Amino acid sequence: RKEVEQDPGPFNVPEGATVAFNCTYSNSASQSFFWYRQDCRKEPKLLMSVYSSGNEDGRFTAQLNRASQYISLLIRDSKLSDSATYLCVVNERDSSYKLIFGSGTRLLVRP
Amino acid sequence: EAQVTQNPRYLITVTGKKLTVTCSQNMNHEYMSWYRQDPGLGLRQIYYSMNVEVTDKGDVPEGYKVSRKEKRNFPLILESPSPNQTSLYFCASRSRLDKNIQYFGAGTRLSVL
Repeated sequence: RKEVEQDPGPFNVPEGATVAFNCTYSNSASQSFFWYRQDCRKEPKLLMSVYSSGNEDGRFTAQLNRASQYISLLIRDSKLSDSATYLCVVNERDSSYKLIFGSGTRLLVRP
Repeated sequence: EAQVTQNPRYLITVTGKKLTVTCSQNMNHEYMSWYRQDPGLGLRQIYYSMNVEVTDKGDVPEGYKVSRKEKRNFPLILESPSPNQTSLYFCASRSRLDKNIQYFGAGTRLSVL
């Protein structure tokens, strides 16, 4: 079983749609959680951290459910520029350098 | 401009010919890491370093070496490349004071024939 699992997609949605991605992690001791965005053939970049209370950044909302070991990312009012692969990332211990990456969920936003 | 610089960006080589991919960061970060990315497998950590002269194996270290003689540089060495090392490689760095932000280099696409 993979340590961080994501639906690979692709999710093909029209502009303006709301889309949600899910991610599950296997290590209950995991401490920090993130969503990264990766454009085709480019390096991943931090999109947002995920906090237990849930957090929002503009059209993006991230939520964490520790009991179910589940992380989600909601994108409202999708734009063409949101087309990318979204990586779920988990840090097992705050003092550890090791980040565990999911294999990513691909989003395609069509006109 | 804060950045992580990898070179070369693209490399085609043959089995057994030693190569080095360089990585340099200008942010005075303590932590540096190398990843490889393959379709369906995501990013997997090869080696990491928590400071000068401190390195450790990641999840897929076989066939790779690293060194950290200076804080800014973290080269990845393939002593005898094989075709299964054909992949997209990323170097990354992070400050120990800000675990949330990992900066990646632009990537090195390596093909071993």
